[in-house]
Amino acid sequence: SAVISQKPSRDICQRGTSLTIQCQVDSQVTMMFWYRQQPGQSLTLIATANQGSEATYESGFVIDKFPISRPNLTFSTLTVSNMSPEDSSIYLCSVVPEGDYGYTFGSGTRLTVV
Amino acid sequence: AQSVTQLDSQVPVFEEAPVELRCNYSSSVSVYLFWYVQYPNQGLQLLLKYLSGSTLVKGINGFEAEFNKSQTSFHLRKPSVHISDTAEYFCAVRHYGGATNKLIFGTGTLLAVQP
Repeated sequence: SAVISQKPSRDICQRGTSLTIQCQVDSQVTMMFWYRQQPGQSLTLIATANQGSEATYESGFVIDKFPISRPNLTFSTLTVSNMSPEDSSIYLCSVVPEGDYGYTFGSGTRLTVV
Repeated sequence: AQSVTQLDSQVPVFEEAPVELRCNYSSSVSVYLFWYVQYPNQGLQLLLKYLSGSTLVKGINGFEAEFNKSQTSFHLRKPSVHISDTAEYFCAVRHYGGATNKLIFGTGTLLAVQP
């Protein structure tokens, strides 16, 4: 299965600032997914990132708040913009390795906004 | 639309006892089903998955799950739990053949194993 490196693993940020989270995969994948896990909650899909096209956002998530880049088949970034304390969550990237059906997740970025 | 229901938010159980974590899904089409485990302060790890074929699926750490199409369920079981099994368990579903391949998660069940 694929190995995902996600950075940073955690951060504490001031409100009003932005944080960019990186996700690097050790193999080429068509789709990458970004999830949010709010404290004590389940995972909610933010967007699907395809290489060479704009990300597809789920209801309740917008590009201005969560811009995503996908410059190649092994890398993606998620930016959390103009942060508020409500953005404090764990953010995870996920991929489906080619020829597989099981999703692999990164270890997550634990974000605290103060 | 797909949805996943995990009725039990928390399941307390004594060590070496059997456990069942319940998962029901709703979908108008065929689905793939998954169970993930999240240990404290860690990411998600795939326990097992059902794609097709045998309805009884065996996973890691002694867990197994049974797909029941008529009851739209995918309950997770383990015959004897250990303290180290204490974690959050998530059931998830994906639409078979869907263009986006997105994974929809249930709300999770905290398995609390007591000595």
